[in-house]
Amino acid sequence: GAGVSQTPSNKVTEKGKYVELRCDPISGHTALYWYRQSLGQGPEFLIYFQGTGAADDSGLPNDRFFAVRPEGSVSTLKIQRTERGDSAVYLCASSLASGPLNTQYFGPGTRLTVL
Amino acid sequence: DAKTTQPNSMESNEEEPVHLPCNHSTISGTDYIHWYRQLPSQGPEYVIHGLTSNVNNRMASLAIAEDRKSSTLILHRATLRDAAVYYCILRDVNTNAGKSTFGDGTTLTVKP
Repeated sequence: GAGVSQTPSNKVTEKGKYVELRCDPISGHTALYWYRQSLGQGPEFLIYFQGTGAADDSGLPNDRFFAVRPEGSVSTLKIQRTERGDSAVYLCASSLASGPLNTQYFGPGTRLTVL
Repeated sequence: DAKTTQPNSMESNEEEPVHLPCNHSTISGTDYIHWYRQLPSQGPEYVIHGLTSNVNNRMASLAIAEDRKSSTLILHRATLRDAAVYYCILRDVNTNAGKSTFGDGTTLTVKP
């Protein structure tokens, strides 16, 4: 079956611009997660949705970052006024349900480069 | 979240067993031990998890110390496709509803 997909695979933008990154989870998965991964480091948690609501947004670094999941399926991570430090691979994952015994399935990521 | 400590890198020869260690001395009784791996240019993928008993699946085995303060991921016969970064993660069933807290993992190099 289809896995988690993310678009675009690569995004290059200029400092100060607005970007949207999209995640299509595995069909039927109610939980969706966003992580950010800098070069040479492990993924860093950003936000997690259970259904349409953000259950934990404690990892969002500041108010320039926002994510939505209006219908409980596709999610969009939005970054306003991008900065060079936002350059990273943004990973999305989904799981059948929330809770630590549910396997998280990751997408290939979107590589964001802010010039 | 309780922290884990892993070596930065390890090397193995192809078709030999690999033992990847993880220390988690502050583990709580409700922490599950999870392993994920990340192949180059891909997102992490689940490998195995356990609580107290050793676990086996088609990918690997997980050996958990009796005091649960350490664990070892065992790849029985390493292949070139096993070259990846391996992450050991603790997830608490009581408090951790969603997120995984990744460290920097162990980069495994497999030599032909």
